Formats: sequence, C-alpha cells, structure tokens
Amino acid sequence: SAVISQKPSRDICQRGTSLTIQCQVDSQVTMMFWYRQQPGQSLTLIATANQGSEATYESGFVIDKFPISRPNLTFSTLTVSNMSPEDSSIYLCSADLAGAPLPTDTQYFGPGTRLTVL
Amino acid sequence: ELKVEQNPLFLSMQEGKNYTIYCNYSTTSDRLYWYRQDPGKSLESLFVLLSNGAVKQEGRLMASLDTKARLSTLHITAAVHDLSATYFCAPETSGSRLTFGEGTQLTVNP
Repeated sequence: SAVISQKPSRDICQRGTSLTIQCQVDSQVTMMFWYRQQPGQSLTLIATANQGSEATYESGFVIDKFPISRPNLTFSTLTVSNMSPEDSSIYLCSADLAGAPLPTDTQYFGPGTRLTVL
Repeated sequence: ELKVEQNPLFLSMQEGKNYTIYCNYSTTSDRLYWYRQDPGKSLESLFVLLSNGAVKQEGRLMASLDTKARLSTLHITAAVHDLSATYFCAPETSGSRLTFGEGTQLTVNP
C-alpha cells in the first residue's frame, strides 16, 4: 500500500497559470520535503515544508514562485506559480519516516507529479 | 555547499558480471541513501547507511560507506537484466535534507 501519495499524477498546463500539487502521508511525520527533477536530470531540493511555520527554501527557489503549505503532520501542498515551459519537470514530495512503523528509518518519496507547461 | 559526484554516469554491462558505482561527496555527512529509479517512475529506497564503515546487502547489491573518505560504493554482483535502472546516491545534511548525485544509468545486457 502507498505510504506517500500525490495528486495530480500528471498535468499539462498553459504558460502563466498556476498548479497546486498535493502530498499525503499515511502517518504523521516531522519532516516533509519537495524536490524537482527536470527532464533527464537528478533531483534538486526545493524546500522543507515546516508544519506550523513558513517553508525553508533552498538557494535558487523562492516563496513567490513555489508557495508551500503544511497545515498538519500528514499533508503538504506545493504550488508552481506563473508557470513557464522551464517549469516542466517531475515534482516529488518526500517524508522522513524515522520512527514510523517501517523496517528502517529512511526517506520515502511519493510517486511524483509530471508537469508539462506549454 | 555539498557537492556529490557519481561515477560512472553511464554503465553498460553484461549479465553475470560485477561492477561498482562510486559516490564521492564534498562535506561531512553521517548518513547516506541509495535510491533506484526506473524510467517514468519515482524513487525506490535501496539502502540507508547510518555510520562510518556501514555495509548493507540486499540480493545482488551491496552498499558501503566511508565517512572519512567521503565515499560510498554500490557494488553489483552477477548482474541481471532486472537491475537495469538509474541509481542515485544522496548524502544527508542538516535538517534531513538530501543532495543527490547525478545518477548512474545502468543497462544490463543479456
């Protein structure tokens, strides 16, 4: 069964619009993260989604472009704002499941959201 | 800023052969992950290495960590076609943040 789920799984959007991606974890977790994987590339951390406070963004990523919410310990959203074709990527959420009832503490990834911007 | 280098980036090998993927990183990290990604799929956690000298094995894959050398290896024994995928290493830094290597695209040929 899925530990982390994301919606939508894929979308095709027009330039200038925004898309909100949802991430749901089966158990309460302290740490949730958002990553981007551009076509043919590795993964890059966008931000840490903090529960009850503003997200912590990595260098090169800003809140105006990628606003993040984390209303509770199992859910987060990432919005890709004012999209351009350069935003076409796979967006993945992850959670640090240390302490959860799993074989080992590790970071698990959601299935990803494949975004295409025309 | 943590930099992570994997090599090789592309690996084509014959079934039954052995090979090692290397992951070097630039600053201190006490925990390192290995992931597998199949085309069009998300990441599958393979190993988490928690301390210097850690060695873990699962089937034909064995991972090790040398924190002093800032080096992790992923050794493939007697490769089979099902191992064809892209493999990423990712050392962890403060706040459980992961920095990913470029990935090694492995193709195992019959």
